[in-house]
Amino acid sequence: AQTVTQSQPEMSVQEAETVTLSCTYDTSESDYYLFWYKQPPSRQMILVIRQEAYKQQNATENRFSVNFQKAAKSFSLKISDSQLGDAAMYFCAYSPSPFTGTASKLTFGTGTRLQVTL
Amino acid sequence: GAVVSQHPSWVICKSGTSVKIECRSLDFQATTMFWYRQFPKQSLMLMATSNEGSKATYEQGVEKDKFLINHASLTLSTLTVTSAHPEDSSFYICSARDPLELAEAYNEQFFGPGTRLTVL
Repeated sequence: AQTVTQSQPEMSVQEAETVTLSCTYDTSESDYYLFWYKQPPSRQMILVIRQEAYKQQNATENRFSVNFQKAAKSFSLKISDSQLGDAAMYFCAYSPSPFTGTASKLTFGTGTRLQVTL
Repeated sequence: GAVVSQHPSWVICKSGTSVKIECRSLDFQATTMFWYRQFPKQSLMLMATSNEGSKATYEQGVEKDKFLINHASLTLSTLTVTSAHPEDSSFYICSARDPLELAEAYNEQFFGPGTRLTVL
């Protein structure tokens, strides 16, 4: 079974600074997807960024980027120029490729609570 | 992006009663929906996968007779918590995949806003 591990229960960053959230996963599959989701106090899950395992290039979405190390099974999220609105729970998630014919379930890590200070 | 709604957003009920939570895809047809449970300060745990027109697939440890799932149409899945007890108090979240959009290829799920259930 796939597992996702987030070893940082809480992180803090000053506004305008950069922070990196860690995520490792375990799988025997070669094709899969990785995601970072943000859950603000409203508890609405918001997709931050996704990475397809077959792509070597790290995904980037504005201030958010990932460092995907497939051999190490590592998938960290870097938030640049942190803003107060970035404060939230961040969940790393794994899903097998839909083309494997599975239901493509998401497996979530335990989450990292990010605080942004002035 | 695709929108998923849930109703109600919160519900309080007495122990022993049943509660139904609705999950709707508002601007797309979802052949597959997922139901999650989230306890305070914890992660999302998948409860079941709901497929339109067929029986739901439950995760190990989830009681099928306790958590009834019905996916009667391409835009609606319901979760009924039967004979609810205080330990069933939790935050329930649904998500859906859009089979006709790139979301399917990217394996993206669209999440509802969640339902907070409190059983007294």
